[in-house]
Amino acid sequence: EAEVAQSPRYKITEKSQAVAFWCDPISGHATLYWYRQILGQGPELLVQFQDESVVDDSQLPKDRFSAERLKGVDSTLKIQPAELGDSAMYLCASSRDRAPSGANVLTFGAGSRLTVL
Amino acid sequence: AQSVSQHNHHVILSEAASLELGCNYSYGGTVNLFWYVQYPGQHLQLLLKYFSGDPLVKGIKGFEAEFIKSKFSFNLRKPSVQWSDTAEYFCAVNSGGGADGLTFGKGTHLIIQP
Repeated sequence: EAEVAQSPRYKITEKSQAVAFWCDPISGHATLYWYRQILGQGPELLVQFQDESVVDDSQLPKDRFSAERLKGVDSTLKIQPAELGDSAMYLCASSRDRAPSGANVLTFGAGSRLTVL
Repeated sequence: AQSVSQHNHHVILSEAASLELGCNYSYGGTVNLFWYVQYPGQHLQLLLKYFSGDPLVKGIKGFEAEFIKSKFSFNLRKPSVQWSDTAEYFCAVNSGGGADGLTFGKGTHLIIQP
């Protein structure tokens, strides 16, 4: 079964440092999502790409977060500088469909757990 | 904007008990509805989905959910739970056009006691 690959699985950093997460979606999936999941809560959408274009980044804290998907395949999410409140699981998901579509089934990766000290 | 409310944050049941987890959403238009499950140490997996048609949908591992449009609800049910159903369950919604990412509820932590 095809999977969404993410790395690193775990990252511990000190506040004010820069961190980066990488995601490789399922081959052929046009849409890629980055979610943040704080412990005890549901995932919250940070950014959505369709191919290489950003579809929705309204919830991305753009003063410190950036995301790119340059060739419309894999993607990187960066945080600079990291703050204590950024400690969370960062999830990547992908889906086959392009908007607009009838429905969008997302496949999630295992996530990257960030701890900011 | 869409929102999803899951009423029970923690549920503890014994094996063979029946399960119903509540989910209500707020969105005035056409919606797609999902239940995802996260087993301990594993990634989020799709349990079942509703796009259109029969409001009673069946998913994996004996789970089902019923879409009641008038109540804006999509409750998850299983007639007899097993210890292996211990997990975090998330209800999610996106708009019928499919352009939006999923909006998730806060999740329900289900513990099944043997």
